[in-house]
Amino acid sequence: AQTVTQSQPEMSVQEAETVTLSCTYDTSESDYYLFWYKQPPSRQMILVIRQEAYKQQNATENRFSVNFQKAAKSFSLKISDSQLGDAAMYFCAYRSSPFSGNTGKLIFGQGTTLQVKP
Amino acid sequence: DAGVIQSPRHEVTEMGQEVTLRCKPISGHNSLFWYRQTMMRGLELLIYFNNNVPIDDSGMPEDRFSAKMPNASFSTLKIQPSEPRDSAVYFCASSSGLALTGELFFGEGSRLTVL
Repeated sequence: AQTVTQSQPEMSVQEAETVTLSCTYDTSESDYYLFWYKQPPSRQMILVIRQEAYKQQNATENRFSVNFQKAAKSFSLKISDSQLGDAAMYFCAYRSSPFSGNTGKLIFGQGTTLQVKP
Repeated sequence: DAGVIQSPRHEVTEMGQEVTLRCKPISGHNSLFWYRQTMMRGLELLIYFNNNVPIDDSGMPEDRFSAKMPNASFSTLKIQPSEPRDSAVYFCASSSGLALTGELFFGEGSRLTVL
């Protein structure tokens, strides 16, 4: 079974600085998706960034980028130029490819609470 | 599109009462998921439907929980009888099997408090 681990329950960053959130996962599959979701106090789950495992290039979305290390099964999120609005809980998540024959459920890590200091 | 719509947003009930949570997925999405979020256990998948058929219900805690998807635009999660330990935020999410992006779109969640 696949698992996702976020070893940092809490992180803090100064406004305008850069912070990296860690995530590791375990799978025997070769094709899958990885995601970072953001959950602000409003509790809405918002997709931040996605990575397809078959792509070697790291995904980037504006100030958000990932460092995807497939062999190491590592998927970290870097937030550059942190803003007060980035304060939230961040979840790393894994999903099997629809072509894998597995059910395709999204498996979440435990979450990392990010505090942004003004 | 309106996104995934859940109701009610908040529910407070007494132990032993029946609770029904509702979800309308995004039009055209053929997969629907129910998740439960608590401080202690994080986000847990309860049940997953594909084309209205339950595919994986291994996360449903016990017989007090049941979920249905009578058509492509509506699903319910029912708890009967409810217990204080069922207090949590329940999320519904949907995704499209046709899209290769794989992402799930979440509703705003239903916060359940059982007294």
